[in-house]
Amino acid sequence: SSELTQDPIVSVALGQTVKITCQGDSLRDYYASWYQQKPGLAPLLVIYAKNNRPSGIPGRFSGSGSGNTASLTITGAQAEDEADYFCNSRDTSGFHWVFGGGTRLTVL
Amino acid sequence: QVQLQESGPGLVKPSQTLSLTCTVSGVSISSGDYYWSWIRQPPGKGLEWIGYIHYSGSTYYNPSLKSRVTTSVDTSKNQFSLKLSSVTAADTAVYYCARTTPHGSWYFDLWGRGTLLTVSS
Repeated sequence: SSELTQDPIVSVALGQTVKITCQGDSLRDYYASWYQQKPGLAPLLVIYAKNNRPSGIPGRFSGSGSGNTASLTITGAQAEDEADYFCNSRDTSGFHWVFGGGTRLTVL
Repeated sequence: QVQLQESGPGLVKPSQTLSLTCTVSGVSISSGDYYWSWIRQPPGKGLEWIGYIHYSGSTYYNPSLKSRVTTSVDTSKNQFSLKLSSVTAADTAVYYCARTTPHGSWYFDLWGRGTLLTVSS
């Protein structure tokens, strides 16, 4: 079982805002990173260190966090944002890394 | 342009040892600026961190796999490798190698395309 918990399925209307959450005790001490994965492709880093975007990631992606919860927000979701999203952070020991179970985002 | 490329046998028999290699281009593994990780994904399932290695030899492994995992670095070929022993069908997955950036909050900023490894007799 994962130490990071995500909702399995989330949907959003085209152009609207959606928040994908990740819960876990380790998030009180460590930042989360977020990865987008489209079918047949490798994961792509979209947010790191709570709210930093790698070069090339659109500004509509942002991250936040409070307490034991980290969030990925997509402001003005586009059809191409339909994908699986995984959060990642250290575990409670601080020495190992864990992924959330993933959230499948559907853009309606 | 930094790229990572996994290579492996594709098919391994149960109880055998799987061996995978990740070839890195565009950055030297021995620069010491990064760690190098293995992550896997069973078909239709989520991601599982296997472990990472630094060119210095420092390693950390997922506790659930630690007894079966070995990683190594070949700086002359700019490659790092994974060995997983005593494989079972549960080890069938796409295996990814990823660059791990240890600045502030660690993260996997570059991934290979992945290689499917099937465990079957």
